[in-house]
Amino acid sequence: DTGVSQDPRHKITKRGQNVTFRCDPISEHNRLYWYRQTLGQGPEFLTYFQNEAQLEKSRLLSDRFSAERPKGSFSTLEIQRTEQGDSAMYLCASSFRWQGSTPPASEQFFGPGTRLTVL
Amino acid sequence: AQTVTQSQPEMSVQEAETVTLSCTYDTSESDYYLFWYKQPPSRQMILVIRQEAYKQQNATENRFSVNFQKAAKSFSLKISDSQLGDAAMYFCAYRRVGSSYKLIFGSGTRLLVRP
Repeated sequence: DTGVSQDPRHKITKRGQNVTFRCDPISEHNRLYWYRQTLGQGPEFLTYFQNEAQLEKSRLLSDRFSAERPKGSFSTLEIQRTEQGDSAMYLCASSFRWQGSTPPASEQFFGPGTRLTVL
Repeated sequence: AQTVTQSQPEMSVQEAETVTLSCTYDTSESDYYLFWYKQPPSRQMILVIRQEAYKQQNATENRFSVNFQKAAKSFSLKISDSQLGDAAMYFCAYRRVGSSYKLIFGSGTRLLVRP
């Protein structure tokens, strides 16, 4: 399967613990995105990378959150000192950056998500 | 700031019938992209259809079509000949053209398909 993969699929942790999630994008995709989705809501943007550079971060990404994409391949999202309000589905997506002056609406391909439960 | 609103939390349709899901958005940009994504239960989100704002023609993909009204900032999704496999959450999303590539999603509409 050459789609976006995420690991783990489920994570249960106690408040105050640190957690780390991994995302492997589609291999030729140079853009990678993280979103958070709470129950009954649409995904909310957290951050995105072009290759290894983190180009945009949402205000939702507090200082307890950090994301990396070393070497422009897989990405990790770490949450330190988790809080119950961090419980959500964390989605990763990837896309390909088109060259040229008028790029088409490049599709973001989503992974299955990591469901985090903070007790 | 751009916003996307889906005012129908849940819709129901009889199998083989047609249903329309509503979406409105707010933006001051003149060029942007609009998308409908489908999220089946416990499965990953997939793109259903996309529309470039500079194109006047409404996008169609097999049984799925959109009614894009730029002046009204409306972007509805019509599903024809509904099938049981269409049951899912449907999210409308907006994306600017240019430096920010983030998708801004609505809150979603749950579509139920009655056999």
